[in-house]
Amino acid sequence: NAGVTQTPKFQVLKTGQSMTLQCAQDMNHEYMSWYRQDPGMGLRLIHYSVGAGITDQGEVPNGYNVSRSTTEDFPLRLLSAAPSQTSVYFCASSTSQGRWGYTFGSGTRLTVV
Amino acid sequence: GIQVEQSPPDLILQEGANSTLRCNFSDSVNNLQWFHQNPWGQLINLFYIPSGTKQNGRLSATTVATERYSLLYISSSQTTDSGVYFCAVRKNAGNMLTFGGGTRLMVKP
Repeated sequence: NAGVTQTPKFQVLKTGQSMTLQCAQDMNHEYMSWYRQDPGMGLRLIHYSVGAGITDQGEVPNGYNVSRSTTEDFPLRLLSAAPSQTSVYFCASSTSQGRWGYTFGSGTRLTVV
Repeated sequence: GIQVEQSPPDLILQEGANSTLRCNFSDSVNNLQWFHQNPWGQLINLFYIPSGTKQNGRLSATTVATERYSLLYISSSQTTDSGVYFCAVRKNAGNMLTFGGGTRLMVKP
């Protein structure tokens, strides 16, 4: 099925551990982005990419790293997990104009203990 | 950066009632989207509406770009409309969406 695939769906980490959240899309979208959603709040932008080889920081980039070597994939790396990174993470993709909407993955629920 | 405010923060309706959700934004935008986040957390695009009016079934949206606000209308609400409605805007190409805080809607049978 066409869309955005995020893995894993759930993850528990210990403080200080590192991990990579995977995101893949099969719609040939130029734009991809990572958001985090904390309880009762809207989504905040972490990092984004406007094309392969191009990434930039969003509103809350500290503690996260990204790369975009292909159009399809946009992994998010947590360098040294902290309890403050407990959140639900969403990956999204769109065309550059965004006229046809943004497609979101189903989310990764991350708990850091 | 651009600020996005949504009102009301919470809304409880009886099934069959109508409602209006509002989104105010602080700067000119070239992209405005409305999303519905269902109780399972999935985000669904409802409208791309940087200006003008669109309708899709019982839902319609209007954006008055010159006055920097957008409205989402839900008519004859159903329990399946429950969830959180987000407005998100983008100032120009090369930027990503900035989300408002959302309106949490509960429709009671």
